[in-house]
Amino acid sequence: GAGVSQSPSNKVTEKGKDVELRCDPISGHTALYWYRQSLGQGLEFLIYFQGNSAPDKSGLPSDRFSAERTGGSVSTLTIQRTQQEDSAVYLCASSLASGSLEQYFGPGTRLTVT
Amino acid sequence: AQSVAQPEDQVNVAEGNPLTVKCTYSVSGNPYLFWYVQYPNRGLQFLLKYITGDNLVKGSYGFEAEFNKSQTSFHLKKPSALVSDSALYFCAVRHNTNAGKSTFGDGTTLTVKP
Repeated sequence: GAGVSQSPSNKVTEKGKDVELRCDPISGHTALYWYRQSLGQGLEFLIYFQGNSAPDKSGLPSDRFSAERTGGSVSTLTIQRTQQEDSAVYLCASSLASGSLEQYFGPGTRLTVT
Repeated sequence: AQSVAQPEDQVNVAEGNPLTVKCTYSVSGNPYLFWYVQYPNRGLQFLLKYITGDNLVKGSYGFEAEFNKSQTSFHLKKPSALVSDSALYFCAVRHNTNAGKSTFGDGTTLTVKP
Protein backbone atom coordinates (compact mmCIF):
# COMPACT_ATOMS: atom_id res chain seq x y z
CA GLY A 1 0.00 0.00 0.00
CA ALA A 2 0.92 3.66 -0.09
CA GLY A 3 3.48 4.96 2.34
CA VAL A 4 3.52 8.21 4.27
CA SER A 5 3.22 11.17 1.95
CA GLN A 6 4.13 14.77 2.61
CA SER A 7 3.47 17.95 0.70
CA PRO A 8 4.92 20.08 -0.58
CA SER A 9 8.25 18.37 -1.14
CA ASN A 10 9.96 21.74 -1.27
CA LYS A 11 8.86 25.11 0.04
CA VAL A 12 10.69 28.41 -0.27
CA THR A 13 9.17 31.26 1.67
CA GLU A 14 10.08 34.74 2.74
CA LYS A 15 10.90 35.52 6.33
CA GLY A 16 7.78 36.50 8.21
CA LYS A 17 5.34 34.50 6.09
CA ASP A 18 3.27 31.60 7.43
CA VAL A 19 3.64 28.10 6.00
CA GLU A 20 1.59 24.92 6.24
CA LEU A 21 3.11 21.49 5.83
CA ARG A 22 0.93 18.47 5.26
CA CYS A 23 1.35 14.83 6.21
CA ASP A 24 -0.79 11.94 5.04
CA PRO A 25 -0.03 8.85 7.16
CA ILE A 26 -0.38 5.22 6.21
CA SER A 27 -4.03 4.21 6.33
CA GLY A 28 -4.93 2.70 9.70
CA HIS A 29 -1.96 4.14 11.55
CA THR A 30 -3.20 5.83 14.70
CA ALA A 31 0.06 7.45 15.78
CA LEU A 32 1.65 10.30 13.85
CA TYR A 33 4.91 12.11 14.55
CA TRP A 34 6.61 15.29 13.36
CA TYR A 35 10.39 15.77 13.40
CA ARG A 36 12.78 18.40 12.14
CA GLN A 37 16.12 17.54 10.55
CA SER A 38 18.56 20.38 10.18
CA LEU A 39 21.58 20.12 7.92
CA GLY A 40 24.20 17.86 9.44
CA GLN A 41 22.14 17.17 12.52
CA GLY A 42 19.93 14.43 13.80
CA LEU A 43 16.20 14.35 14.10
CA GLU A 44 14.57 16.75 16.53
CA PHE A 45 11.23 15.56 17.92
CA LEU A 46 8.47 18.15 17.57
CA ILE A 47 5.13 16.59 18.42
CA TYR A 48 3.20 13.35 18.24
CA PHE A 49 -0.48 12.50 17.89
CA GLN A 50 -2.38 9.50 19.12
CA GLY A 51 -5.57 9.73 17.15
CA ASN A 52 -6.47 13.40 17.03
CA SER A 53 -4.96 14.32 20.37
CA ALA A 54 -1.38 15.40 21.00
CA PRO A 55 -0.19 13.99 24.34
CA ASP A 56 3.30 15.39 23.89
CA LYS A 57 3.95 18.82 22.42
CA SER A 58 7.18 19.28 24.29
CA GLY A 59 9.33 19.47 21.20
CA LEU A 60 7.66 22.44 19.54
CA PRO A 61 10.42 25.07 19.50
CA SER A 62 8.22 28.12 20.00
CA ASP A 63 4.63 29.28 19.99
CA ARG A 64 5.01 30.04 16.28
CA PHE A 65 4.74 26.29 15.71
CA SER A 66 1.45 24.44 15.92
CA ALA A 67 0.04 21.21 14.58
CA GLU A 68 -3.31 19.59 14.25
CA ARG A 69 -4.71 16.32 13.10
CA THR A 70 -8.27 15.76 12.01
CA GLY A 71 -10.23 12.58 11.45
CA GLY A 72 -7.35 10.57 12.83
CA SER A 73 -5.61 10.90 9.50
CA VAL A 74 -4.05 13.96 7.84
CA SER A 75 -1.95 16.32 9.91
CA THR A 76 -0.76 19.82 9.23
CA LEU A 77 2.20 21.54 10.82
CA THR A 78 1.92 25.32 10.73
CA ILE A 79 4.79 27.71 11.23
CA GLN A 80 3.79 31.34 11.67
CA ARG A 81 6.05 34.31 10.99
CA THR A 82 8.82 32.08 9.67
CA GLN A 83 12.42 32.81 10.57
CA GLN A 84 15.60 31.77 8.78
CA GLU A 85 16.42 29.33 11.57
CA ASP A 86 13.25 27.43 10.68
CA SER A 87 14.92 26.26 7.48
CA ALA A 88 15.19 22.48 7.69
CA VAL A 89 13.66 19.26 6.44
CA TYR A 90 10.42 18.49 8.24
CA LEU A 91 9.73 14.79 8.52
CA CYS A 92 6.49 13.07 9.32
CA ALA A 93 6.18 9.47 10.46
CA SER A 94 3.33 7.18 11.42
CA SER A 95 2.94 3.89 13.23
CA LEU A 96 0.11 1.46 13.92
CA ALA A 97 0.10 2.65 17.52
CA SER A 98 2.54 4.42 19.74
CA GLY A 99 4.83 2.52 22.09
CA SER A 100 7.07 -0.25 20.89
CA LEU A 101 6.26 -0.09 17.23
CA GLU A 102 8.56 1.19 14.53
CA GLN A 103 7.76 4.35 12.64
CA TYR A 104 7.35 4.72 8.90
CA PHE A 105 8.72 7.97 7.56
CA GLY A 106 7.63 10.19 4.73
CA PRO A 107 10.08 11.77 2.28
CA GLY A 108 10.00 15.12 4.11
CA THR A 109 9.36 18.72 3.22
CA ARG A 110 12.43 20.85 2.67
CA LEU A 111 11.65 24.34 3.97
CA THR A 112 13.87 27.24 3.02
CA VAL A 113 13.22 30.63 4.58
CA THR A 114 14.88 33.49 2.71
CA ALA B 1 15.05 12.59 30.22
CA GLN B 2 16.28 10.26 27.53
CA SER B 3 19.25 10.68 25.24
CA VAL B 4 21.20 8.87 22.56
CA ALA B 5 24.85 9.22 21.60
CA GLN B 6 26.42 8.09 18.37
CA PRO B 7 30.07 8.82 19.07
CA GLU B 8 31.27 8.51 15.48
CA ASP B 9 30.20 10.97 12.81
CA GLN B 10 31.72 8.74 10.13
CA VAL B 11 32.64 5.08 9.81
CA ASN B 12 34.66 3.84 6.85
CA VAL B 13 35.05 0.15 6.05
CA ALA B 14 36.16 -1.91 3.09
CA GLU B 15 33.64 -4.06 1.29
CA GLY B 16 33.53 -7.55 2.73
CA ASN B 17 34.80 -6.47 6.14
CA PRO B 18 32.62 -6.46 9.25
CA LEU B 19 31.12 -3.15 10.30
CA THR B 20 30.04 -1.69 13.61
CA VAL B 21 28.13 1.54 14.16
CA LYS B 22 28.06 2.50 17.82
CA CYS B 23 25.16 3.75 19.91
CA THR B 24 24.81 4.37 23.61
CA TYR B 25 21.68 5.55 25.34
CA SER B 26 20.45 6.99 28.59
CA VAL B 27 16.91 6.44 29.81
CA SER B 28 15.36 5.64 33.14
CA GLY B 29 13.60 2.33 33.14
CA ASN B 30 13.42 -0.08 30.26
CA PRO B 31 14.19 1.27 26.81
CA TYR B 32 12.83 0.55 23.40
CA LEU B 33 15.75 0.84 20.96
CA PHE B 34 15.67 1.28 17.20
CA TRP B 35 17.98 1.63 14.23
CA TYR B 36 16.94 3.50 11.09
CA VAL B 37 18.81 4.04 7.82
CA GLN B 38 18.60 7.01 5.48
CA TYR B 39 19.83 6.47 1.94
CA PRO B 40 20.71 9.55 -0.15
CA ASN B 41 17.62 11.45 -1.26
CA ARG B 42 15.32 8.97 0.45
CA GLY B 43 13.36 8.87 3.67
CA LEU B 44 14.33 7.03 6.82
CA GLN B 45 13.70 3.30 6.84
CA PHE B 46 13.34 1.06 9.84
CA LEU B 47 16.11 -1.54 10.23
CA LEU B 48 15.54 -3.29 13.54
CA LYS B 49 14.42 -2.84 17.12
CA TYR B 50 14.92 -4.19 20.61
CA ILE B 51 11.90 -4.35 22.87
CA THR B 52 12.52 -7.29 25.16
CA GLY B 53 13.87 -10.83 25.03
CA ASP B 54 17.06 -11.89 23.26
CA ASN B 55 19.79 -9.30 23.40
CA LEU B 56 20.80 -9.98 19.80
CA VAL B 57 18.22 -8.77 17.32
CA LYS B 58 18.31 -9.31 13.59
CA GLY B 59 16.90 -6.92 11.05
CA SER B 60 16.74 -6.01 7.41
CA TYR B 61 19.57 -6.33 4.89
CA GLY B 62 21.64 -8.65 7.12
CA PHE B 63 22.07 -6.13 9.93
CA GLU B 64 21.94 -7.06 13.58
CA ALA B 65 22.35 -5.23 16.87
CA GLU B 66 23.21 -6.28 20.38
CA PHE B 67 21.52 -4.79 23.42
CA ASN B 68 23.92 -4.50 26.34
CA LYS B 69 22.14 -3.28 29.44
CA SER B 70 25.22 -2.94 31.63
CA GLN B 71 26.99 -0.80 29.04
CA THR B 72 23.75 0.91 27.92
CA SER B 73 24.72 0.24 24.34
CA PHE B 74 22.95 -0.92 21.20
CA HIS B 75 25.65 -1.21 18.52
CA LEU B 76 24.66 -1.99 14.95
CA LYS B 77 26.67 -4.70 13.20
CA LYS B 78 26.98 -6.56 9.94
CA PRO B 79 29.43 -9.40 9.30
CA SER B 80 30.27 -8.42 5.73
CA ALA B 81 29.71 -4.89 4.45
CA LEU B 82 28.43 -4.05 0.98
CA VAL B 83 29.02 -0.85 -0.98
CA SER B 84 25.24 -0.47 -1.06
CA ASP B 85 25.21 -0.23 2.76
CA SER B 86 26.70 3.26 2.47
CA ALA B 87 24.16 5.56 4.09
CA LEU B 88 23.34 7.60 7.18
CA TYR B 89 22.37 5.52 10.21
CA PHE B 90 20.34 6.72 13.18
CA CYS B 91 19.91 5.12 16.57
CA ALA B 92 16.77 6.00 18.53
CA VAL B 93 15.47 5.34 22.02
CA ARG B 94 12.01 5.51 23.49
CA HIS B 95 11.11 5.11 27.14
CA ASN B 96 8.67 2.27 27.57
CA THR B 97 6.25 4.46 29.48
CA ASN B 98 6.50 7.49 27.19
CA ALA B 99 4.77 6.05 24.25
CA GLY B 100 5.26 8.76 21.72
CA LYS B 101 8.54 10.55 22.06
CA SER B 102 11.56 9.00 20.38
CA THR B 103 14.97 10.57 20.82
CA PHE B 104 17.33 10.16 17.88
CA GLY B 105 21.08 10.30 17.77
CA ASP B 106 22.88 12.71 15.45
CA GLY B 107 23.54 9.97 12.93
CA THR B 108 26.61 8.15 11.64
CA THR B 109 27.61 8.22 8.00
CA LEU B 110 28.78 4.80 6.89
CA THR B 111 30.95 4.60 3.80
CA VAL B 112 31.82 1.21 2.37
CA LYS B 113 34.58 1.30 -0.20
CA PRO B 114 35.04 -1.34 -2.90
